[in-house]
Amino acid sequence: SQKIEQNSEALNIQEGKTATLTCNYTNYSPAYLQWYRQDPGRGPVFLLLIRENEKEKRKERLKVTFDTTLKQSLFHITASQPADSATYLCALVGYMYSGGGADGLTFGKGTHLIIQP
Amino acid sequence: GAVVSQHPSWVICKSGTSVKIECRSLDFQATTMFWYRQFPKQSLMLMATSNEGSKATYEQGVEKDKFLINHASLTLSTLTVTSAHPEDSSFYICSARGLAGDTQYFGPGTRLTVL
Repeated sequence: SQKIEQNSEALNIQEGKTATLTCNYTNYSPAYLQWYRQDPGRGPVFLLLIRENEKEKRKERLKVTFDTTLKQSLFHITASQPADSATYLCALVGYMYSGGGADGLTFGKGTHLIIQP
Repeated sequence: GAVVSQHPSWVICKSGTSVKIECRSLDFQATTMFWYRQFPKQSLMLMATSNEGSKATYEQGVEKDKFLINHASLTLSTLTVTSAHPEDSSFYICSARGLAGDTQYFGPGTRLTVL
């Protein structure tokens, strides 16, 4: 069966360090992968999209890599700040049970990131 | 840019009543809107995909007669939970995708509590 796995345990990082979050998927061939940030009681906020033919994408302090051979994406936040504390979601297009909603996103459960001052 | 709003942000209703949730794209035209549901400590689960002017496509296990979706314009989609029951209590989130591009932009969500 198709799966998206993110580290479900909270990740504690010291302020100023680089936080690295992992997203692994199985039985999937996504055309692209997206990362979102979600704060408690709020909808996800789009951060980055990376396509299957792209190895790396950057946006300010954020960097995403996409390895279609390993079926893995890594999400990095450099010079992390307490305000970066949130849950980060990995999402793939192409819903696993698609009956026609092939453009819907399938989300991982997310990794809760805590940046400690 | 790419702002999506939802209304209401939260609603409490009695079992058996119907609740309508609105999703609007404020600064772009959304040919496709999506409705997701998220239970506590769970990931977002796609419920349905709607294209402007056509019937929504529902995911497996989602009752189309219970969750009525209307995408009447390029900036508005509505989800009506009919005859709501306590097990329908959840966080309902919509997203919208513009004419060009793959990115979905999400609304802030609607917390539904059915007593």
